Amino acid sequence: GAVVSQHPSWVICKSGTSVKIECRSLDFQATTMFWYRQFPKQSLMLMATSNEGSKATYEQGVEKDKFLINHASLTLSTLTVTSAHPEDSSFYICSARDRVINTGELFFGEGSRLTVL
Amino acid sequence: SQQGEEDPQALSIQEGENATMNCSYKTSINNLQWYRQNSGRGLVHLILIRSNEREKHSGRLRVTLDTSKKSSSLLITASRAADTASYFCARGTGGGNKLTFGTGTQLKVEL
Repeated sequence: GAVVSQHPSWVICKSGTSVKIECRSLDFQATTMFWYRQFPKQSLMLMATSNEGSKATYEQGVEKDKFLINHASLTLSTLTVTSAHPEDSSFYICSARDRVINTGELFFGEGSRLTVL
Repeated sequence: SQQGEEDPQALSIQEGENATMNCSYKTSINNLQWYRQNSGRGLVHLILIRSNEREKHSGRLRVTLDTSKKSSSLLITASRAADTASYFCARGTGGGNKLTFGTGTQLKVEL
């Protein structure tokens, strides 16, 4: 099946630093990837839609300058949390859709747990 | 809220019993999907049902969709301890490119 690799799986950083999270589709191409944020025992909140070769589309209330998204190739999207603060601590999950076999299904990475001290 | 609401929020059953989870939504959909998430992990796609379908099966899973009531249900038959996880419904909208997740049901299957 389609595999999405997300890295790092966990990261601890100091307040004020920036953290980059990578999302790679390993065996398929994805023109569209999605970034979600999940708080403990809660649902996934869509942050932004990452489009290959163009600007990301952010959901209402998500600061685009805070959460920088780059989708430079058909297999890689990155999320950079800039000037991270403790309230940014969360579980970030990416997902991707196979652009060739588009069944509507999303393939998810294993998530990245960010802890900002 | 634009999210789907799921109930129950938590469900605890014995191995071998059936587990039923319900999902309600407010706006129109292209499809409705169910995902499973083990604690601290990513999500795994279980089943997709299109808006013009009423029922779908996959192994021990059975999904129904009632668009008139804007609701769906996921039935897991003959549950196993390994089925313990959180289950989310997700509405596919906007040409199917966007998924909006429900609040989830935490299922615990005890031996």
